Amino acid sequence: GENVEQHPSTLSVQEGDSAVIKCTYSDSASNYFPWYKQELGKRPQLIIDIRSNVGEKKDQRIAVTLNKTAKHFSLHITETQPEDSAVYFCAAKKPGAGNMLTFGGGTRLMVKP
Amino acid sequence: DAGITQSPRHKVTETGTPVTLRCHQTENHRYMYWYRQDPGHGLRLIHYSYGVKDTDKGEVSDGYSVSRSKTEDFLLTLESATSSQTSVYFCAISDYDQFPFFGPGTRLTVL
Repeated sequence: GENVEQHPSTLSVQEGDSAVIKCTYSDSASNYFPWYKQELGKRPQLIIDIRSNVGEKKDQRIAVTLNKTAKHFSLHITETQPEDSAVYFCAAKKPGAGNMLTFGGGTRLMVKP
Repeated sequence: DAGITQSPRHKVTETGTPVTLRCHQTENHRYMYWYRQDPGHGLRLIHYSYGVKDTDKGEVSDGYSVSRSKTEDFLLTLESATSSQTSVYFCAISDYDQFPFFGPGTRLTVL
């Protein structure tokens, strides 16, 4: 089955700096890669996704990149703010797999004011 | 976020007792999932459903069973709870071409 690894497990940045979270996946058939944000005590919520026919996607201060050849994808957050502090999960989905996701282990991002 | 609810939200039980968690949706979505969340492991799929009475196993299904007799309800049962099943359980729903939307979670403690 699919295996998704996520690094780092914790990340501390100063407000205003950039943060990068990286994931690798094992199954070359995976073609959708969403990112979820989970604030303390809350449910995971989808913040952005990228599909395998796209190399990069941006939404305001967040961007995702995908390297299909290397089976890497990354989340970039620019101009970080304290409200970006949360746990971020990457995930991978294969076609026809009932929308099931395989998640990475998560990254706890702490933005220091 | 009234489209998906979970009950109970918190439960403490003893080893060996049966436990049932309920997920209820008002979105009429086809797919429903049960995940568990543990530190360092992210979210792991326990079971999922792709329609009424249609269910299948995920990656960590041992010790769990599920049932879906109606579109809106997906039940997760621990037949005989163990301490290793202490976790936060999330139900999620999705429809065609959508990523899963998660419920509020149930925190289960097995003593």
